[in-house]
Amino acid sequence: KQEVTQIPAALSVPEGENLVLNCSFTDSAIYNLQWFRQDPGKGLTSLLLIQSSQREQTSGRLNASLDKSSGRSTLYIAASQPGDSATYLCAVHNFGNEKLTFGTGTRLTIIP
Amino acid sequence: GAGVSQSPRYKVAKRGQDVALRCDPISGHVSLFWYQQALGQGPEFLTYFQNEAQLDKSGLPSDRFFAERPEGSVSTLKIQRTQQEDSAVYLCASSFSRESNQPQHFGDGTRLSIL
Repeated sequence: KQEVTQIPAALSVPEGENLVLNCSFTDSAIYNLQWFRQDPGKGLTSLLLIQSSQREQTSGRLNASLDKSSGRSTLYIAASQPGDSATYLCAVHNFGNEKLTFGTGTRLTIIP
Repeated sequence: GAGVSQSPRYKVAKRGQDVALRCDPISGHVSLFWYQQALGQGPEFLTYFQNEAQLDKSGLPSDRFFAERPEGSVSTLKIQRTQQEDSAVYLCASSFSRESNQPQHFGDGTRLSIL
């Protein structure tokens, strides 16, 4: 059974700093890994999707990397802004089914 | 609208009542998913449809939970004889096809509170 872990559970950093969020998973037989953002009371917004054959994906100030063999992914946020404050979730899509398996998220607070 | 739409946004019910939650996926999306998100947790998979066919219901926690998508578009998640542990946010997601490289797009969810 796939298990996804995100550390830390919460993170506070001053505005302007670069930061890294971590995601680890136990079963490396994955199609892809997705990073989502969730604002309070809202659904999930997809940020980046990395295919199993890819090493990284970039969108603006966001960069996600994937090391499938070690079961790890990181989300790098450059030049953080207060608007980046949200909960960030990673999710993996395994072979053999269609569902996503989520981590418990990292609650990020950017301090102005 | 362009996104996944869920209704109602909030639902309060007394223990023992039946509830029905609705999901309107993005037009043309073949795949539809339901997830349950408890407070402070990540979403947990409930069930998956490809068009009108329910291909995976392995995540439904009990036989009190039932989902349908009769015409391959709108879906309804029904919970019978609700219990307090059913209180959660229920999220619906859709994707364009069953191909594995298609991202899932989520609605804002229905927050269900059982008193």
